[in-house]
Amino acid sequence: GAVVSQHPSWVICKSGTSVKIECRSLDFQATTMFWYRQFPKQSLMLMATSNEGSKATYEQGVEKDKFLINHASLTLSTLTVTSAHPEDSSFYICSASSGGGRAQYFGPGTRLLVL
Amino acid sequence: GDSVTQMEGPVTLSEEAFLTINCTYTATGYPSLFWYVQYPGEGLQLLLKATKADDKGSNKGFEATYRKETTSFHLEKGSVQVSDSAVYFCALSDGGYGQNFVFGPGTRLSVLP
Repeated sequence: GAVVSQHPSWVICKSGTSVKIECRSLDFQATTMFWYRQFPKQSLMLMATSNEGSKATYEQGVEKDKFLINHASLTLSTLTVTSAHPEDSSFYICSASSGGGRAQYFGPGTRLLVL
Repeated sequence: GDSVTQMEGPVTLSEEAFLTINCTYTATGYPSLFWYVQYPGEGLQLLLKATKADDKGSNKGFEATYRKETTSFHLEKGSVQVSDSAVYFCALSDGGYGQNFVFGPGTRLSVLP
């Protein structure tokens, strides 16, 4: 149990286009989902926290108009990288929790390359 | 702010060797400490955790002890297997289990038969 999937697993896009990444909790209801970003050989950095039906809370320095997060249901959150640029190339990982400080379960990550 | 430092990889060991992956942290409060493991192509999985000083987390033969005096949470295993090959992340949380994680950069372990 407690499986989280991400789609796509990797994506290549042209500069200026938008890319949507999906995060799904497959066998539990995720009231809270987290989005992380990981640069090569660096830590996972929390980008934002989203609660189902509410606006996401972004970490300091993360552009909310650049990284649009939607958590419209208890099993799906999406991260849209708008007008992507090469510096947005990174590994994006989501996690999901049933809330109340319970465990986070992580997805396998999505590798984004912007040309 | 809070931070986690762990030893650079990759670490390459022979099967049945002893494993230590060092992890140290800086935090203003009393964080909970975690080790996560990421197998190829999979998500991060919680390996073990400790919530207060001197607690020892253990799972699947891995152990780590929360050392407040040295701000460390080193991961150890007495005899590694090929199936232990993965990336290991040390992490802390200042909000209890599951909130406000700060991760280390990860250490890749390769175990050779």
